[in-house]
Amino acid sequence: RKEVEQDPGPFNVPEGATVAFNCTYSNSASQSFFWYRQDCRKEPKLLMSVYSSGNEDGRFTAQLNRASQYISLLIRDSKLSDSATYLCVVEMDSSYKLIFGSGTRLLVRP
Amino acid sequence: DAGVIQSPRHEVTEMGQEVTLRCKPISGHDYLFWYRQTMMRGLELLIYFNNNVPIDDSGMPEDRFSAKMPNASFSTLKIQPSEPRDSAVYFCASSPVGWDPSGNTIYFGEGSWLTVV
Repeated sequence: RKEVEQDPGPFNVPEGATVAFNCTYSNSASQSFFWYRQDCRKEPKLLMSVYSSGNEDGRFTAQLNRASQYISLLIRDSKLSDSATYLCVVEMDSSYKLIFGSGTRLLVRP
Repeated sequence: DAGVIQSPRHEVTEMGQEVTLRCKPISGHDYLFWYRQTMMRGLELLIYFNNNVPIDDSGMPEDRFSAKMPNASFSTLKIQPSEPRDSAVYFCASSPVGWDPSGNTIYFGEGSWLTVV
């Protein structure tokens, strides 16, 4: 089983749609969680951290369920500029070792 | 401020040749990571250093791969001999000690695009 698993997509949605991505992780000792965004032929960049209580940043909402070892990202009112690959990231055992999921590709169409 | 700097940005080499990828982390960052990204396997952590010391190299695929960090401002990833299956984007990243999970904790370079023919 992979340490971090994501649905690869692609998710093809119209502008204005709401889309949700899910991610599961295998190590129950994982401490920190993130969503990164990667544009085509670019490096990954931090989108947002994921807190136990859930957190929101504008149109983006991240949730963590430790019991189910599950992380989610919700994007509301999708924009064309949201088209990218979204990477679920887990820090293993507070070791500063980040493990990346394979990413979920999002395509937002006009 | 300069970000993580990698070189070369693109390299095409023949199978069997030695490849050396270089990285200059952000000044003051204590952690340095080497990742490899392919379509099939996604982004894989190869090795990471703390204060120039390798901490975990369990992701290094085989003996053909080696990484060094002779000082705080420079690291290399070497492949010798290279094979076509090594074709990938190799990212170097760095982060400060005691990072705050709420911040931008790991900074990636733009990557080195390697093609082995």
